[in-house]
Amino acid sequence: EADIYQTPRYLVIGTGKKITLECSQTMGHDKMYWYQQDPGMELHLIHYSYGVNSTEKGDLSSESTVSRIRTEHFPLTLESARPSHTSQYLCASTKPVTGELFFGEGSRLTVL
Amino acid sequence: RKEVEQDPGPFNVPEGATVAFNCTYSNSASQSFFWYRQDCRKEPKLLMSVYSSGNEDGRFTAQLNRASQYISLLIRDSKLSDSATYLCVVNLLSMDTGRRALTFGSGTRLQVQP
Repeated sequence: EADIYQTPRYLVIGTGKKITLECSQTMGHDKMYWYQQDPGMELHLIHYSYGVNSTEKGDLSSESTVSRIRTEHFPLTLESARPSHTSQYLCASTKPVTGELFFGEGSRLTVL
Repeated sequence: RKEVEQDPGPFNVPEGATVAFNCTYSNSASQSFFWYRQDCRKEPKLLMSVYSSGNEDGRFTAQLNRASQYISLLIRDSKLSDSATYLCVVNLLSMDTGRRALTFGSGTRLQVQP
């Protein structure tokens, strides 16, 4: 089993609220990712980090921001949530050498 | 054209059937290849890595064809529990961004019927 954890698993909030989705991994992986996925649809990369103090935007434009102050922690923040942000957010990290990607269980966000 | 392409399916097959999925990728400089399985409303999980010589894990066989730029997944003796979406993942050098990244196909949905 992968040691990568996401909280909260489920979140229902009102429009305009600030939210932070937490992601932590205990495997010491340098590379971490955030993906967005709507039900039955494909995964879209929204942010990635190759190490501490390194963050980049992914292929899908997102209003969220990320930070990487510690290797094990890669939180995602939405300053002002909107209904269009309703989705599942999946955090992942890659194992060096093999490139195997480990996913957290996801955070399912609903913005009313 | 997408950099990693899969037939979305769904593939509806009876129990015990053999089913094969293909995945094509755009850049010959691609390095690593994987098949992931994603159950409904769950996170993707690694099914198997794909090696140049091909590899087998029980009922599952993965193959790589670098010349034609595709990978395949063969499932023999399908079980009801094999019903899921199968995602092709390629570590490729993107023509669009110029950087190397793990790129997902859109997934192929398999439904095994009793």
